[in-house]
Amino acid sequence: GAVVSQHPSRVICKSGTSVKIECRSLDFQATTMFWYRQFPKQSLMLMATSNEGSKATYEQGVEKDKFLINHASLTLSTLTVTSAHPEDSSFYICSARVQDRGSYEQYFGPGTRLTVT
Amino acid sequence: EDQVTQSPEALRLQEGESSSLNCSYTVSGLRGLFWYRQDPGKGPEFLFTLYSAGEEKEKERLKATLTKKESFLHITAPKPEDSATYLCAVRGNTGFQKLVFGTGTRLLVSP
Repeated sequence: GAVVSQHPSRVICKSGTSVKIECRSLDFQATTMFWYRQFPKQSLMLMATSNEGSKATYEQGVEKDKFLINHASLTLSTLTVTSAHPEDSSFYICSARVQDRGSYEQYFGPGTRLTVT
Repeated sequence: EDQVTQSPEALRLQEGESSSLNCSYTVSGLRGLFWYRQDPGKGPEFLFTLYSAGEEKEKERLKATLTKKESFLHITAPKPEDSATYLCAVRGNTGFQKLVFGTGTRLLVSP
């Protein structure tokens, strides 16, 4: 299967600072990547869909100025949490789509645990 | 609105005790039903995509089946290493790029 990596795996930052999370597709090109957050014992919540070379599409209720997404290349998307606050502490997971001749698969990265103190 | 309901919420099995997890869904034009496995603190691991009623896919001790209203993930003779949360998701015609996830079934297999 396709491999998606994320960096860092864990980050602790102080309230008011910004944090950048990188998501890379290692063995394929991803025109579309997705960013999710997950709270303990809950399912995945889609935050935004990012398409290479264009602006991200944010889900309702997600602040686009707070969660900046950049998808500058076919193998890299970044999520920047700006002016982080404790309520932004969560597990952030990226995902990349592989679509080929009618088949569709979506692979996830290992996740980034963000703790804001 | 596309919806996914998974049952049971949690399931405890003895090693070797086969069982099934259920995923009921409503979707406008199914473009795929997905099964993932998620271990604590990790991202979901892709297992299967099913596209049409009657389709089945297998991988080791796991077999996924699909009808027009639900999907089952059958686990045959499970081992402790099969313990994880199993997530089901659908992709429909509306907002067609998005996967809509269920809340998962937490499986614990005891030796």
